[in-house]
Amino acid sequence: AQTVTQSQPEMSVQEAETVTLSCTYDTSESDYYLFWYKQPPSRQMILVIRQEAYKQQNATENRFSVNFQKAAKSFSLKISDSQLGDAAMYFCAFRYGGSQGNLIFGKGTKLSVKP
Amino acid sequence: EPEVTQTPSHQVTQMGQEVILRCVPISNHLYFYWYRQILGQKVEFLVSFYNNEISEKSEIFDDQFSVERPDGSNFTLKIRSTKLEDSAMYFCASRADGNYGYTFGSGTRLTVV
Repeated sequence: AQTVTQSQPEMSVQEAETVTLSCTYDTSESDYYLFWYKQPPSRQMILVIRQEAYKQQNATENRFSVNFQKAAKSFSLKISDSQLGDAAMYFCAFRYGGSQGNLIFGKGTKLSVKP
Repeated sequence: EPEVTQTPSHQVTQMGQEVILRCVPISNHLYFYWYRQILGQKVEFLVSFYNNEISEKSEIFDDQFSVERPDGSNFTLKIRSTKLEDSAMYFCASRADGNYGYTFGSGTRLTVV
């Protein structure tokens, strides 16, 4: 069974600084997808960034980028120029390929941004 | 941008009562999901639905739970006899065919008292 591990329950960053959230996963599949979701206090789930396992190039979305290390089964999220609005829970999620794949979430990392 | 809509945003119910949580997925999406998040815990998969039938369900999704797509637009989750431990945030999500990206609704906070 696939598992997703986020080893940092809480992280803190100074506004305008850079922070990296870690995520590791375990799977025997070769075809899968990885995601980072943001959950602000409103508790809505907002997609931050996603990565296809077959792509070697790391995904980027504005200030958000990932470091995808397939052999190490690692998928970390880097937030550059942190803003107060980035404060939220961040969940790493895995989905194996195929039409019926379901998302498997990690336990989340609570990010605080200090002004 | 298309949205997944969930109603109500918050529901309070007495233990033992039936509740129905409603979702309107994005209109051209074919795969539908319910997830649950107990306060302070991770998001857990409940059930997936495709082609008018359940395609996969977790061990959480026992006989007390059911899903339905009654009219081609709504997607509902019913809990027949609620327990205190059913208190959680329930998220609906949908996905288009050939697309691996999920769109989540804003969630329904269910409180069982």
